[in-house]
Amino acid sequence: AQKITQTQPGMFVQEKEAVTLDCTYDTSDPSYGLFWYKQPSSGEMIFLIYQGSYDQQNATEGRYSLNFQKARKSANLVISASQLGDSAMYFCAMRGSLGGADGLTFGKGTHLIIQP
Amino acid sequence: DTGVSQNPRHKITKRGQNVTFRCDPISEHNRLYWYRQTLGQGPEFLTYFQNEAQLEKSRLLSDRFSAERPKGSFSTLEIQRTEQGDSAMYLCASSLMGGLNTEAFFGQGTRLTVV
Repeated sequence: AQKITQTQPGMFVQEKEAVTLDCTYDTSDPSYGLFWYKQPSSGEMIFLIYQGSYDQQNATEGRYSLNFQKARKSANLVISASQLGDSAMYFCAMRGSLGGADGLTFGKGTHLIIQP
Repeated sequence: DTGVSQNPRHKITKRGQNVTFRCDPISEHNRLYWYRQTLGQGPEFLTYFQNEAQLEKSRLLSDRFSAERPKGSFSTLEIQRTEQGDSAMYLCASSLMGGLNTEAFFGQGTRLTVV
């Protein structure tokens, strides 16, 4: 079974500051993928960044980077230079290589509010 | 490419009624997923299709839930004899066939309220 834990229900951050959203995971799969999605109030899940369990380097996509620490089973999302439009729910998710089901397992999310 | 489309966006129904939601995936995507998201939670995987074949349905919440994708294009999710606990957002996603890193594209969801 796979499990994602996001321990920050909500965060307030000043505009232009960097923010780190925590994510820890648990899985018995030998290889797996980790994802971050953003969900604005409109409801659509927007893909942000992906990290493979065997990737040697931490993933980066523009202002988003993933701080992947495999031994600690953590995959924290870092947003640099936050903007007002970053206010949304953020979900960490994973997909494993075993078990048959191909769907993503999501955490409970972090509600990020960027303040001017 | 208009993205993943879900209809209706909102549905209010009385307890005990049947409801059906539709999902139109991105046209070239052969995988289609259904998720349920309750308030304050992340999406919960329900089922998925590869073309018209339903490859995983053990995660459907009860036998009141069923899904179809008859021609490998659009899909429907039906809930029979709705209960108040079925109130949630139902999300559809689609993707190409691929490995662990395959990105799933989500629709805006159908919000169901059972009264």
